Amino acid sequence: DADVTQTPRNRITKTGKRIMLECSQTKGHDRMYWYRQDPGLGLRLIYYSFDVKDINKGEISDGYSVSRQAQAKFSLSLESAIPNQTALYFCATRDPNTGELFFGEGSRLTVL
Amino acid sequence: GQQVMQIPQYQHVQEGEDFTTYCNSSTTLSNIQWYKQRPGGHPVFLIQLVKSGEVKKQKRLTFQFGEAKKNSSLHITATQTTDVGTYFCAGGSNYKLTFGKGTLLTVNP
Repeated sequence: DADVTQTPRNRITKTGKRIMLECSQTKGHDRMYWYRQDPGLGLRLIYYSFDVKDINKGEISDGYSVSRQAQAKFSLSLESAIPNQTALYFCATRDPNTGELFFGEGSRLTVL
Repeated sequence: GQQVMQIPQYQHVQEGEDFTTYCNSSTTLSNIQWYKQRPGGHPVFLIQLVKSGEVKKQKRLTFQFGEAKKNSSLHITATQTTDVGTYFCAGGSNYKLTFGKGTLLTVNP
């Protein structure tokens, strides 16, 4: 089983719908991240969390919200999806000793 | 905010040729990491550089961190078809990383 699991892997939705992307991890890391990937734009940080009570905005947090339900779970929500939120979304954890990011397989979201 | 610029955006090589991607930051970095993303896959960690002027090798891959800790490079010697993918640098702190836009490498067999 993957150490970082994202669900759903693919989702097609309509403008205005509420969408939740879920992430769970078995690595025991406190630090979790949500990134968005668009072709030619690399990976951009949406939100990050250092523990259940700590949530921080990244560079592109507008239109998104997150919830850290437990150390192992970090979900990303789009309250009212719009077409320019069509992208590939990655959840990641970070090893506190090595600094390495461990990515999930990604969630591809299409907003029509 | 911190910006990390990476060039080139694309690179196509013949198998056996060398490849280099460069990364530059607008600010001094505490560390820099490199990731590889295969087509259809997720980014996978390659290495982290921390010290000024540091050079590390992994088989055919050589990573460098500049003396001023504001730039870095990844060099692949004698590329193989298994090297295809997008290579990202990521700079920052122990709190968060800022990724470059990546270099897509394609290799013609």
